[in-house]
Amino acid sequence: AQSVSQHNHHVILSEAASLELGCNYSYGGTVNLFWYVQYPGQHLQLLLKYFSGDPLVKGIKGFEAEFIKSKFSFNLRKPSVQWSDTAEYFCAVNEEGFKTIFGAGTRLFVKA
Amino acid sequence: DTGVSQNPRHKITKRGQNVTFRCDPISEHNRLYWYRQTLGQGPEFLTYFQNEAQLEKSRLLSDRFSAERPKGSFSTLEIQRTEQGDSAMYLCASSPAVRPQPGNTIYFGEGSWLTVV
Repeated sequence: AQSVSQHNHHVILSEAASLELGCNYSYGGTVNLFWYVQYPGQHLQLLLKYFSGDPLVKGIKGFEAEFIKSKFSFNLRKPSVQWSDTAEYFCAVNEEGFKTIFGAGTRLFVKA
Repeated sequence: DTGVSQNPRHKITKRGQNVTFRCDPISEHNRLYWYRQTLGQGPEFLTYFQNEAQLEKSRLLSDRFSAERPKGSFSTLEIQRTEQGDSAMYLCASSPAVRPQPGNTIYFGEGSWLTVV
């Protein structure tokens, strides 16, 4: 069965610090990969996605993620975080045409 | 607003009562999903529909839970004889057909909070 692991449950950073959130999945076939973000009091929103092609994917608000197939990883990065990036971040995976599975999430708190 | 719509947004019920949540997906999306989310956890898959057909149900979905999508548009999720452990956020999401849209990106509604007291 597919599973998604997010290594950090809580991350605290100061503004302007760089961010990297880890995500590993277990599935040997072709997968689609996603990062969703949930800001306080808001619903889940798509941050970025990978289907095929360039393994470095750029999303909204300066986020990017790199798909490394050999490591079954899809880590999220941002060079310089802002206070407004405080949110919960979820990595997700699906196999084409099947359900999407989510990780447990990483809560990011950015200190102003 | 053309996003996924859920109601009610909040529901407080006594243990043993039945509750029903409704989801209206994005109009051109033929796939509809239900997830459950508790504090500190990611969304857990419950079930999904393609049009009116329920294609998969999670083992998390006990017999007290039933979901329908009778006309392939809106969906309802009913929980019978609620228990305190059912307290959670119930999320609905929708996605377009797999083809020609690759990747099956799902779009979430704002969720329905259930508190069982």
